Amino acid sequence: KQEVTQIPAALSVPEGENLVLNCSFTDSAIYNLQWFRQDPGKGLTSLLLIQSSQREQTSGRLNASLDKSSGRSTLYIAASQPGDSATYLCAVNSGNTGKLIFGQGTTLQVKP
Amino acid sequence: NAGVTQTPKFQVLKTGQSMTLQCAQDMNHNSMYWYRQDPGMGLRLIYYSASEGTTDKGEVPNGYNVSRLNKREFSLRLESAAPSQTSVYFCASSGIPQETQYFGPGTRLLVL
Repeated sequence: KQEVTQIPAALSVPEGENLVLNCSFTDSAIYNLQWFRQDPGKGLTSLLLIQSSQREQTSGRLNASLDKSSGRSTLYIAASQPGDSATYLCAVNSGNTGKLIFGQGTTLQVKP
Repeated sequence: NAGVTQTPKFQVLKTGQSMTLQCAQDMNHNSMYWYRQDPGMGLRLIYYSASEGTTDKGEVPNGYNVSRLNKREFSLRLESAAPSQTSVYFCASSGIPQETQYFGPGTRLLVL
């Protein structure tokens, strides 16, 4: 059974710092991996999707990498801003059915 | 273009009552999903519909039924609500199962 873990559960950094969020999964036979952002009391916003054949994806200040063989993905946020404060979730699609398995999330606070 | 919409935003039920959560998307997506989000458990898939006319169970389907009314709409029904169904419910959609999922704002359900 696929399990997804995100460490740390919470992170607090000063504004301007570069940071890395970690996601690990137990079964390397994945179809793709997605990173989402969730603001308090809101729905999820898709940030990046990495196909199993890809090593990384970039969108603005965000860069997500995928090492399928080791069961790991990282989300790199450059030059963090207070507006980046949110919970970041990774989710694995183990088949081509769209059934996502989510990690518990990392709650990020960026202090001005 | 509203994306994914959900109604109601908030609902209080008594144990044993029934209700239907509504979800609609205007992105011409084929696939739709229902998740629940609970503290400490993360997001878990309840049911999904890979395409119009099909529905399948997810990780936690007990106590729920779904209807894919047409390509746009996917409803979730609680026939006899239980306190364990107190949760935040999210609907999502994607073009095809392998693509990025787009989430609605959620329905907060409290069962007393």
